[in-house]
Order: sequence, then structure tokens, then C-alpha cells
Amino acid sequence: DADVTQTPRNRITKTGKRIMLECSQTKGHDRMYWYRQDPGLGLRLIYYSFDVKDINKGEISDGYSVSRQAQAKFSLSLESAIPNQTALYFCATSEITWSGGINTGELFFGEGSRLTVL
Amino acid sequence: GQQLNQSPQSMFIQEGEDVSMNCTSSSIFNTWLWYKQDPGEGPVLLIALYKAGELTSNGRLTAQFGITRKDSFLNISASIPSDVGIYFCAGRSTGGFKTIFGAGTRLFVKA
Repeated sequence: DADVTQTPRNRITKTGKRIMLECSQTKGHDRMYWYRQDPGLGLRLIYYSFDVKDINKGEISDGYSVSRQAQAKFSLSLESAIPNQTALYFCATSEITWSGGINTGELFFGEGSRLTVL
Repeated sequence: GQQLNQSPQSMFIQEGEDVSMNCTSSSIFNTWLWYKQDPGEGPVLLIALYKAGELTSNGRLTAQFGITRKDSFLNISASIPSDVGIYFCAGRSTGGFKTIFGAGTRLFVKA
């Protein structure tokens, strides 16, 4: 079983609909992230959470919201989906590790959720 | 905001050939990372570099952290069909905890 599980894997919806993408992890990591992948743009950070009581906006948070329900669960919501939110969405986790003053906790990604907004 | 410039955007090569791709930043990074994304999967970490000048290998893959701390490259030797995918560079600036990604290099390998 995957350590970072995303549901649904694929979703087609209509403009204006509310959508929730869910992420759960069994890695025991405190930090969780939502990224969006678009062709030619790489991965861009939407929101991140360093623990259950900590939520932070990333570089493209407009139109999105998140909820950290537990250490292992982090969901992404689109309150009113629009076509330019059509993309591949990834959840990721990382642990808190440091070496010589450098953050060495690298990202582990889920398999992705492909969202199409018509 | 910070940006990473990754090149080339795509590469079409013959099996057995060596491959090189690179990434540059306008600002200094203290961490450079290389990820690979297989079709239908999430990115997976290939190599992590934490020290300027560091050269690290992982099988047929070799990556280097540039001495200026503003660039990194990834080499793949003797490519095979399963090397197909998207390769992302990524990095973090000094004191930063957010990982920033390049646009990716899409690699196609012809058997």
C-alpha cells in the first residue's frame, strides 16, 4: 500500500461545484503539503501544514482552502471550481530532520489526483 | 518569487546515450534536489545535495551542487527505456523550508 494515499485519483466536475481532494499518510510525518502540477510549470505549492494546528498559504492559494483533520490527514477544497483549476494535484509529506543546520526532510509524494473542471 | 530555470524542456535520445540536464537559480540555494516522475505516478526523490561543490551518484545518475550555489546538473549515463519520465530539479534557499520546483525535463528514450 502507498505511504501517501490520495482520493479520488481522477475527478471530472463542472464549473461552480465544490470539490474536496483527500490525502492520508502512514509515514508518521508532521508536515504535509498540497502541490499543483501544470504542463511546463512544474509543481507549485498551494498550502502546507507543519502540524495539526498550523496551516500556511503557498504561492498559489487563491481559490483553495485546506483542512488538517489529524496528523495523518490533509484535505484540499475548491469551494467553487473553475476551468483553470484543471490540473494534477499532489499531496506530499516530510519529516522534520536537520543536519548541520540544514533542513534535510525531503518530500514524499502521493500518486496524484487528476481534476478536470468543465 | 524565486524561480528555477530548468533545461532542456524535453529530450529525445537513443537507448545507450548519456543525458545531461541542468537547473539555475537567480538566488543562492543551500539544497538542490532531483526528482523523477514516472507516467501516472508522483515524483520520487533521486538525489539530494546539501553542500556546494558536492558530487553525488545514485547508480547511473550523477548530480552536482554548483559551487556558486545557483545551479545544479543531473547526468544519466547509458540510458535505458525505463529512464523515460519527467525529471524535476528543486531547491531551498538558506533558512527556507519550502521546496521550489523547476518546470521539468521530459525525457524520451528510443529503444
